[in-house]
Amino acid sequence: DVKVTQSSRYLVKRTGEKVFLECVQDMDHENMFWYRQDPGLGLRLIYFSYDVKMKEKGDIPEGYSVSREKKERFSLILESASTNQTSMYLCASSLSGASNEKLFFGSGTQLSVL
Amino acid sequence: GIQVEQSPPDLILQEGANSTLRCNFSDSVNNLQWFHQNPWGQLINLFYIPSGTKQNGRLSATTVATERYSLLYISSSQTTDSGVYFCAVVGSNYQLIWGAGTKLIIKP
Repeated sequence: DVKVTQSSRYLVKRTGEKVFLECVQDMDHENMFWYRQDPGLGLRLIYFSYDVKMKEKGDIPEGYSVSREKKERFSLILESASTNQTSMYLCASSLSGASNEKLFFGSGTQLSVL
Repeated sequence: GIQVEQSPPDLILQEGANSTLRCNFSDSVNNLQWFHQNPWGQLINLFYIPSGTKQNGRLSATTVATERYSLLYISSSQTTDSGVYFCAVVGSNYQLIWGAGTKLIIKP
């Protein structure tokens, strides 16, 4: 089975801090995604990547950046964390292609910004 | 853009009951997936089902693409089936568009 691993399950940071959320997948998937999930708002796409060093903005990229230096690793960066970025962050991957066949998720990182 | 609507929003059942969850979408799609999010937040892909019927144990799904809906059937519910069930379809920009989910509670 595909394994998508997120580095932290819970994270508490202060306003203004730079925050790194790491995601690693072990099945040589080309596509990787970062979502945030908030009550009543569902899953919203922040950024995605179809290949190494490639990134595309999703629906809510403001306040975030990403890095994909290696195929298996996709990092989400909060340059200066704010309280409205308190959320559950979910990383996902899929094999290849633009049609986003079967998506696999990590277990999520619950980030609290104080 | 494509709209995805799930019903019912909430469902409470007794253990052993059967249930049907529905996903309607507003335009033709070539990719539809069903997910289960357990109470601890883990999202698991249940089915990749752009059309036709698939079964996996007590769960099955049917997508009728021409009529723009998909159904997820859960038979003989167990407490471990509790959680939120999402359907998601691929939009015009090749990204998934998610429904709001059906929250299922199975009582022992």
